[in-house]
Amino acid sequence: AQSVSQHNHHVILSEAASLELGCNYSYGGTVNLFWYVQYPGQHLQLLLKYFSGDPLVKGIKGFEAEFIKSKFSFNLRKPSVQWSDTAEYFCAVNSPYSSASKIIFGSGTRLSIRP
Amino acid sequence: DGGITQSPKYLFRKEGQNVTLSCEQNLNHDAMYWYRQDPGQGLRLIYYSQIVNDFQKGDIAEGYSVSREKKESFPLTVTSAQKNPTAFYLCASADSAVHPSTDTQYFGPGTRLTVL
Repeated sequence: AQSVSQHNHHVILSEAASLELGCNYSYGGTVNLFWYVQYPGQHLQLLLKYFSGDPLVKGIKGFEAEFIKSKFSFNLRKPSVQWSDTAEYFCAVNSPYSSASKIIFGSGTRLSIRP
Repeated sequence: DGGITQSPKYLFRKEGQNVTLSCEQNLNHDAMYWYRQDPGQGLRLIYYSQIVNDFQKGDIAEGYSVSREKKESFPLTVTSAQKNPTAFYLCASADSAVHPSTDTQYFGPGTRLTVL
């Protein structure tokens, strides 16, 4: 069965620090990978997704993620965080061969940015 | 204004009562989903529907029921059989017409259900 692990439950950074949030998935076949973000008081929304091609994916607000197949990882990065990046971040995975867009979500990482 | 609406935002019910959570979308999306979000557990799929009059169980369907009589509506009923119903419930939709596995899911604002 597919699963997603986000080992960092809560990350606290100062503004301008670099960010890397870990995401590892468990699945033997081809996968699609997603990062969703939930800003305080807002809807959960897509940050970026990977399904083929260049393993380095760029998303909104300066975020990027790199798919490393050999490590079963899809870590999220941002070179310089802002206070407005405070949110909860969810990594997710599904199979391109699934009959529906069923997504398996990780448990989430809460990011707090000190101004 | 296109999007997904869920009502109510907060809902309180007594133990043993069934309760129905509303989810409406005007995005003309085929697929709709219900998730449950608990602290430290992320989102878990309850039910999903790819087309009107059809729906499938997700990973934690026990104690829940759904219907999909209209494309734009996918109500979720939390029954008295659900052992731990207090949670935050999120509804989502996706286009899913051509490439369902890569489609972005769009989420509603959620309903926080508290069972007293």
